[in-house]
Order: sequence, then C-alpha cells, then structure tokens
Amino acid sequence: AQTVTQSQPEMSVQEAETVTLSCTYDTSENNYYLFWYKQPPSRQMILVIRQEAYKQQNATENRFSVNFQKAAKSFSLKISDSQLGDTAMYFCAPANYGGSQGNLIFGKGTKLSVKP
Amino acid sequence: EAGVAQSPRYKIIEKRQSVAFWCNPISGHATLYWYQQILGQGPKLLIQFQNNGVVDDSQLPKDRFSAERLKGVDSTLKIQPAKLEDSAVYLCASSSGHPENIQYFGAGTRLSVL
Repeated sequence: AQTVTQSQPEMSVQEAETVTLSCTYDTSENNYYLFWYKQPPSRQMILVIRQEAYKQQNATENRFSVNFQKAAKSFSLKISDSQLGDTAMYFCAPANYGGSQGNLIFGKGTKLSVKP
Repeated sequence: EAGVAQSPRYKIIEKRQSVAFWCNPISGHATLYWYQQILGQGPKLLIQFQNNGVVDDSQLPKDRFSAERLKGVDSTLKIQPAKLEDSAVYLCASSSGHPENIQYFGAGTRLSVL
C-alpha cells in the first residue's frame, strides 16, 4: 500500500520570503503522478502543482515549484515570494495511473502560516 | 466553467440517524470520487465511479455507507445509521481522466454526529 509522509506538521514564513515543504512517499508503481493541493479554511481543495513521474524536469507554476527526486521518492514544494493568501493546509498526494485507478493518497498535511 | 457542487455545506445529526450528501461534478467529467476527511488528517478515498460504474469501493464501510451515481452524472453518498466516528468533512471530486489526470474538488459537507 502507498504511504505518504509530510514530516512538518506546521510551518511559518514571513511575507515575501521563500519556504519549502517536504514530502516523501512509498510506491511500487512506475506510472504515477504527484500533486500538491492547498486547503484554506474554506475547506475546498485547490490544485497547486502537478508532476508526472516519468518526466525528469521539475514542474513550475508561477511562484510554486517542486524538487522531484524519483529514486529517493521525495517531492518537495517550494513557495517563493510568499503571500498572505498562501496561508493554508498543504497536502502532498501521489496517484497511480497504471490501471483504471487514479485515486489520490494524501499525507497528513502541513499547516503553513504566512506572517505579515 | 462551473466547478464541483456539493450540498449541504453543513449537517448536524444524532447518532443512529441517516444522512445523505449530494454531488454534481464538472460537466463532462466521467470519473467521480468521494473522500472522507477526519479533522487533522488528509482525505481518504471512500469510493470511485467511472461513469455510473464503481471502480474502487474497497475503503467504503458497506454496512452503513452506500453511494450511487445515477446516469453517470450526479452522485449521492448515504450513511445509515450514523456513528460518532463518522463526523468528518465529505469531499466530492471529479476528473476528466487522461491526459490531464487532475481531480477538481467541491467545497465539501461538514458532518457532525452528536
């Protein structure tokens, strides 16, 4: 069974600074995707960034980028120029797509607070 | 484009009562998911539909939980009878599948069982 570990339950960062959230996972699959979702107090899960495991190039989405180390099964999220609106729970989630699955396996999350 | 719609937003019931949640996915999305998110944890998949067929319900407590997706569009998740440990947020998500493989989530229903 897949497991996801987010070792930082809570983190804080000053506005405009950079922060990195860590995630490690365990899977025996070869064909999978990795996602970071954010969940603000409104509860809605919002996609932050997506990485296809077969791609070596790290995904980037504006201020958000990942450091994907496939051999180490590590998938960290870097947020640059942090903004107050980035305050939320952040979840790392791999998903298998080798068969007809595709359901996300979520970690316990990291609570990020951006301070003014 | 409209997002995933869920109702109600909040529900409070007493244990042993029944409750139902409704989800309307993004138009054209064939895959629909129901997740349970207990306070302080990440969401856990309960059931996955592909059109109106069940793909994965291995983590659905079938003695009390049921779900259906009529005509491959809207879906309903039911709990009967509810237990205290069912208190959680119930999230619905939908996906168009390959090649995008992104799940889009609704705002969820917060259930409190007293």
